[in-house]
Amino acid sequence: LAKTTQPISMDSYEGQEVNITCSHNNIATNDYITWYQQFPSQGPRFIIQGYKTKVTNEVASLFIPADRKSSTLSLPRVSLSDTAVYYCLVGATLSSGSARQLTFGSGTQLTVLP
Amino acid sequence: DTAVSQTPKYLVTQMGNDKSIKCEQNLGHDTMYWYKQDSKKFLKIMFSYNNKELIINETVPNRFSPKSPDKAHLNLHINSLELGDSAVYFCASSRDRVPGELFFGEGSRLTVL
Repeated sequence: LAKTTQPISMDSYEGQEVNITCSHNNIATNDYITWYQQFPSQGPRFIIQGYKTKVTNEVASLFIPADRKSSTLSLPRVSLSDTAVYYCLVGATLSSGSARQLTFGSGTQLTVLP
Repeated sequence: DTAVSQTPKYLVTQMGNDKSIKCEQNLGHDTMYWYKQDSKKFLKIMFSYNNKELIINETVPNRFSPKSPDKAHLNLHINSLELGDSAVYFCASSRDRVPGELFFGEGSRLTVL
C-alpha cells in the first residue's frame, strides 16, 4: 500500500499560486492519485484526480512526473476561502467489484492570509 | 438532498457504553467505507463494504462491528466504548469503476467521557 508524505503546513497570500507536493515512493501500477480538501467540521471533498502527466479542472491542476513517485497540486490565485487541509490519496479500486484500501496522508494545512 | 448522510452528528457518552452511528448514501454507489479521524487529523480507514460484503477490515478492535443491511446503508456499532475511541467518524462511498473518488459524509463526532 502506497504511503504518502506531505508538508504539515503552508502559508500563502491571497492571489498567489500555491503548490503542494506529495511523495508516494511505493505507488503501484494500478494506483491513481487523488487530492481532497477538508474544511473544519466537514468531510473531505474531492478536488482532482490523475494517473500521469498533467490534469486540470476548473479549480486546480495536478502535475505527476513520469516516475509517479510524487505529485503536485497547484491552486491558482488562492483566496481566503481556500484555507483548509489538503490530503493526497493514493489507491485504486478494482473493476472486479472489490476495493483496495485508500490510505490518506497526514494532510497539509494551507492558510491563506489577506 | 445530502448524498452521504450520517447520524448522529454529535455523540457524547460514558466509557463502557454501546453506541451506533448510521450512514446512508443516495448515490447508487456499490462501495461504502468507515474512516476514523483523530485529533491529529489522520484519516484512517476502518472498514469497507461492497454490495453488503465486507472487503476491507483494518486492524480495528472487535468492539467495532459494521453492518450493511443493503448497499445504501453502512452502520457502525461500537461496544464497550473507551476514551481512545473519541474521534470523528466519517462514512464515505464510491463507485467501483471510478478509482479513488470518495464521497464523504459530514462526520460524527464521538466523545467518550
